[in-house]
Amino acid sequence: AQKITQTQPGMFVQEKEAVTLDCTYDTSDPSYGLFWYKQPSSGEMIFLIYQGSYDQQNATEGRYSLNFQKARKSANLVISASQLGDSAMYFCAMREVNTGNQFYFGTGTSLTVIP
Amino acid sequence: DVKVTQSSRYLVKRTGEKVFLECVQDMDHENMFWYRQDPGLGLRLIYFSYDVKMKEKGDIPEGYSVSREKKERFSLILESASTNQTSMYLCASSLGRVNHEQYFGPGTRLTVT
Repeated sequence: AQKITQTQPGMFVQEKEAVTLDCTYDTSDPSYGLFWYKQPSSGEMIFLIYQGSYDQQNATEGRYSLNFQKARKSANLVISASQLGDSAMYFCAMREVNTGNQFYFGTGTSLTVIP
Repeated sequence: DVKVTQSSRYLVKRTGEKVFLECVQDMDHENMFWYRQDPGLGLRLIYFSYDVKMKEKGDIPEGYSVSREKKERFSLILESASTNQTSMYLCASSLGRVNHEQYFGPGTRLTVT
């Protein structure tokens, strides 16, 4: 079974609008972390935001927020006020204590911001 | 500024050659990882290492081996390169805590002809 599922291969958003990128995960470990990374066309992977399984509040980092719904095992990334520079691949990842802190990545979502 | 460096950005090798991809981090991280990235498949873990001289197979270890003789260096070895190993290879490092993110190198685009 897939540990991380990203069902949106490609998304488009108008500049200055908000966009939600979906991520669902599968784990039986009570202790885990959820991460989002951005990969621009230049190829580097950039860490965006982290959510811990025990965190009560949704994580936020500037224009990024993570909509964490534990019971539904979803960890969607919300980007507010999209900018042209947000056009990139976005990867959701999970790290579990049970598997020795190994990271699991989704297949990614390609976001295009339209001017 | 944290740094993960990889020995080459682009590499072209012939089928059957032995290929070494080097990764160095300067953050004193315990964990290091090698992934390959292919369109539509995301990042797939090849090997990871908890600590010096420790290694664990990831999801796709066949055709690869690794070496970690020093904490800062994690090498990926393709014993006999094949065309299906043409890919982008990403190295990453992390502290060994579930709440710690990975830092990635710039990647090596390997082409096997």
